Amino acid sequence: GAGVSQSPSNKVTEKGKDVELRCDPISGHTALYWYRQSLGQGLEFLIYFQGNSAPDKSGLPSDRFSAERTGGSVSTLTIQRTQQEDSAVYLCASRALNEQFFGPGTRLTVL
Amino acid sequence: SQQGEEDPQALSIQEGENATMNCSYKTSINNLQWYRQNSGRGLVHLILIRSNEREKHSGRLRVTLDTSKKSSSLLITASRAADTASYFCATDRDTGRRALTFGSGTRLQVQP
Repeated sequence: GAGVSQSPSNKVTEKGKDVELRCDPISGHTALYWYRQSLGQGLEFLIYFQGNSAPDKSGLPSDRFSAERTGGSVSTLTIQRTQQEDSAVYLCASRALNEQFFGPGTRLTVL
Repeated sequence: SQQGEEDPQALSIQEGENATMNCSYKTSINNLQWYRQNSGRGLVHLILIRSNEREKHSGRLRVTLDTSKKSSSLLITASRAADTASYFCATDRDTGRRALTFGSGTRLQVQP
């Protein structure tokens, strides 16, 4: 079946603009995660959705970051007033049992 | 914050040789997983080892786990040029959100 998909694959924006990143998880996976990966680094946890529970936002680096998950499926990560330090690859994953399945990521470049 | 430290940071070997990567972590875990990443994009799950396991094999991969030392190793035998990638260990504490905590990765280059 289809894996996790993300769009856009690349996004270039100007400092101060807002961006929206989209994640389509694997159908039936109730757990969804957003991670951020800066150049040459490991992944940093951002936010976690589990079913209808309130999301765990403890990894969000600032209040410019927010995310929602509609209907328990598609998720959108929004970054407001982007800064150059927001440049990174943003990865989404959905989980079944112990294994997380990752999407291809969105490479965000803030000029 | 990242829990794991991996070494080496970079490894270059010839095709056919074995590659060993090590990972250390700080807290108790439920399981430890290894992922491969090509070209800085999506991650591919390679293998999962539970905290009560000491060794696990999958094809050319061999993973060990020493919970007393809070360390794990990934061995790739008979490496191929296609194994060139970054390899990350990730720990799962099996509490709360169960977000994976990733190490900083090892960049493996296999020369043909």
